[in-house]
Order: sequence, then C-alpha cells, then structure tokens
Amino acid sequence: QSALTQPASVSGSPGQSITISCTGTGSNIGYYNLVSWYQQHPGEAPKLIIFEVTKRPSGVSDRFSGSKSGNTASLTISGLQAEDEADYYCCSYAPISTLVFGGGTKLTVL
Amino acid sequence: QVQLVQSGAEVKKPGTSVKVSCKASGYTFTNYYIHWVRQAPGQGLEWMGWINPNSGGTNYAQKFQGRVLMTTDTSINTAYMQLSGLTSDDTAIFYCAREWELRGPDSWGQGTLVSVSS
Repeated sequence: QSALTQPASVSGSPGQSITISCTGTGSNIGYYNLVSWYQQHPGEAPKLIIFEVTKRPSGVSDRFSGSKSGNTASLTISGLQAEDEADYYCCSYAPISTLVFGGGTKLTVL
Repeated sequence: QVQLVQSGAEVKKPGTSVKVSCKASGYTFTNYYIHWVRQAPGQGLEWMGWINPNSGGTNYAQKFQGRVLMTTDTSINTAYMQLSGLTSDDTAIFYCAREWELRGPDSWGQGTLVSVSS
C-alpha cells in the first residue's frame, strides 16, 4: 500500500482554525471508517487524537475534530494554540488488516 | 496507568539482526493487538505489522515480510520485534503501540533507536 497523501506543511495564527487533508484510495480511506490521526511533538512518541474518523479519546481537546468525504479524511484544529505546533499523521486501515500512514504534516503556529 | 516500556538503543552492523522488546503494564495484555511502527530520522511513520498476543497471529507489511518476526511472551506481558538483514536504511526509531478493536494504536512505547553502521 502506498502512503496516504498529506500536505507537507500548514500554518496558522493563534486562535485561527486549520484543516489538514489526507487523501487515500477506495481500498483504504474510502472503504473503511477506520481513520485515525496522531500528533507528534519533536522527540516524543505519537499521540492518538482522533479514531474511527470522528471520535476523540478521553482527554483530547474538543478543538480537534475529524471528518471524511470519499477517499479524503480531514483533521481540523480550531482555536489554534502554540502547543498545537507539531507533526500530524493520518492512518487508515487497508486490505487484509494492514495499516497505512500518511507522510505527515508539519503544523506551524505563527 | 497504561505503559509500554521498550528496550534501550542498539548499534548494529549491516547484515545482522536486532530484537526490540516492549513490556506492557496497566492493562490486560492479551486483549490488545501490538503494532510495530518505524520512523527513520526526519521521516514519517511506517507501519511494520501487528501481533495478536492472545493467539500469536501476525500480519506483516509486505515490505518487511521475510525479514521481520513479531512474538510475544504472555507470561511477562512482553512483545518482541526482530528485524534481520539490517542495512543502513533500517536506522530508525522503532515504536510499539497497542490497539483495541480496530481503533488505531492508542498507547505507544517511548521508542527504541536502532542505528546500523559499519
């Protein structure tokens, strides 16, 4: 499976909203409602922030939201804060119970 | 609390193998799959495969088939990932992570840096 496609970078000012897209195919994102998103700060392990396209784990801010349309999933962060600056990765299930990650998006808070 | 604690950094020669451990605590080990994910320096996340500690069943990414072996020891709640035929391209941080019911890996180990150099 080829990696899912994400923009290399996005940026926004504090308080603004940004959206990160994640494009796959009809055999991964388009087929399964099993998209998750991860936040990774430098030197740290990834942290799950969205699972099953739209759900947030306990303790994750409601400023993070997920959606999906066709073969593209999206992560929206509202009310940007300095601590949101990190790398973000999407992930989807794919055929034969495999996983595929996106290439990652670097979020800069201006 | 849930913890996945991985073994320490390794330095390996090309052509050799490495075995990374991942000790779980704070939950029922056999109720969650364990995934292994690789991250090369400055690069993104790459899924390597999963193991079901309850059955021992595995599913490896095609890229690593024939070169990776994932096992568990349920008596000590520990998962292992062995990668053979190492090359410099395998220099990376390797993470273990648990998953329940296809929700995506939700808790991650701290990562293990494996450096491959002659």
